Amino acid sequence: GEDVEQSLFLSVREGDSSVINCTYTDSSSTYLYWYKQEPGAGLQLLTYIFSNMDMKQDQRLTVLLNKKDKHLSLRIADTQTGDSAIYFCAEKDSNTGKLIFGQGTTLQVKP
Amino acid sequence: GAGVSQSPSNKVTEKGKDVELRCDPISGHTALYWYRQSLGQGLEFLIYFQGNSAPDKSGLPSDRFSAERTGGSVSTLTIQRTQQEDSAVYLCASSSTRDRYEQYFGPGTRLTVT
Repeated sequence: GEDVEQSLFLSVREGDSSVINCTYTDSSSTYLYWYKQEPGAGLQLLTYIFSNMDMKQDQRLTVLLNKKDKHLSLRIADTQTGDSAIYFCAEKDSNTGKLIFGQGTTLQVKP
Repeated sequence: GAGVSQSPSNKVTEKGKDVELRCDPISGHTALYWYRQSLGQGLEFLIYFQGNSAPDKSGLPSDRFSAERTGGSVSTLTIQRTQQEDSAVYLCASSSTRDRYEQYFGPGTRLTVT
């Protein structure tokens, strides 16, 4: 079945770059997403990438997609303490549109 | 404009009671999804409505869970005879069609079963 895997925890120092990795299994997924969840808050869509792209940049965020290896990464440049949150990778089921989420990566940013 | 709203924001109930959770999607959105976020299971899909089609109930964990969507708009998720393992945050999302890239999430309902 469909599955999305992420590492559970990442700790970086303020100003460093953060790289969060994700692997997925459904090769027919049309869109892949990164969501951010701050403590006590809902899910915020950070960015997405269409499956025919291999890179997308949006300000401090860079998404890399390796479709052959089914690997997705999110790079946050100049990480700030406000970036501390849980980051979820998700793939979109091509039949229903439902999202299949990874377990979430907790990003801790130390001052 | 108004986003997806959910009510109540918090619900505490006793084991064995029934609960109803409500979702108001963005006006005009034809696709509506329910997800559940719990400590042990992460974020998991529950049910999906698309227009007037039969819903995709493949993610509902047991027959105690049901959902309906009236008039293609508001949706209610009902959990009968609640159990402690039902404690979670229930999230609703909507999108304009299943092919659009973005699902807009509501703030969620935190359900605690005591």
